[in-house]
Amino acid sequence: DQQVKQNSPSLSVQEGRISILNCDYTNSMFDYFLWYKKYPAEGPTFLISISSIKDKNEDGRFTVFLNKSAKHLSLHIVPSQPGDSAVYFCAASAQDDSWGKLQFGAGTQVVVTP
Amino acid sequence: DTAVSQTPKYLVTQMGNDKSIKCEQNLGHDTMYWYKQDSKKFLKIMFSYNNKELIINETVPNRFSPKSPDKAHLNLHINSLELGDSAVYFCASSRDRGSETQYFGPGTRLLVL
Repeated sequence: DQQVKQNSPSLSVQEGRISILNCDYTNSMFDYFLWYKKYPAEGPTFLISISSIKDKNEDGRFTVFLNKSAKHLSLHIVPSQPGDSAVYFCAASAQDDSWGKLQFGAGTQVVVTP
Repeated sequence: DTAVSQTPKYLVTQMGNDKSIKCEQNLGHDTMYWYKQDSKKFLKIMFSYNNKELIINETVPNRFSPKSPDKAHLNLHINSLELGDSAVYFCASSRDRGSETQYFGPGTRLLVL
């Protein structure tokens, strides 16, 4: 049973515009959330994370928003660049016995068009 | 200066064979993981070792056996390979067990014929 869901398998956005990727989770014990970016034939690369004590974390063009009551997080990329074309995975973990066990969503394929 | 490396990158083999995948990290991390990415693209954790000690063992067939000779290495041995084992296997590491940020290797693409 998938505890982390990314319901949009793909997203197409024009260069320079904002990309918004969404992620929902069902486990209320999750307290740390991460976004990973993956290019074809490579491993996932850590992008940005957020702890459940925050509702926003920003790093350059990337901002992650967390809405705990809705069990929802989103990743904003502004402005989108062609090099951002990749698969983005949302992941979550809980600081209980599952420490270290990241639960991943299915990923969203982002295509940034010129 | 690759942080997390895996060998081989590609592995094509026949059903019933035994194969191993190796992973090494030069980040000085204490904790290492094996993930499987199946045909539906989900990444699922299989095992985790912390300082050579097994700490996570998900519901994985016992044909899969991880081995950690030291904290910089975590190998995965698979016995009696089956068609359903075809997947991409990723190794990852983190500073320690309490560090949520994990760093992934490039993956090993296993195809069982």
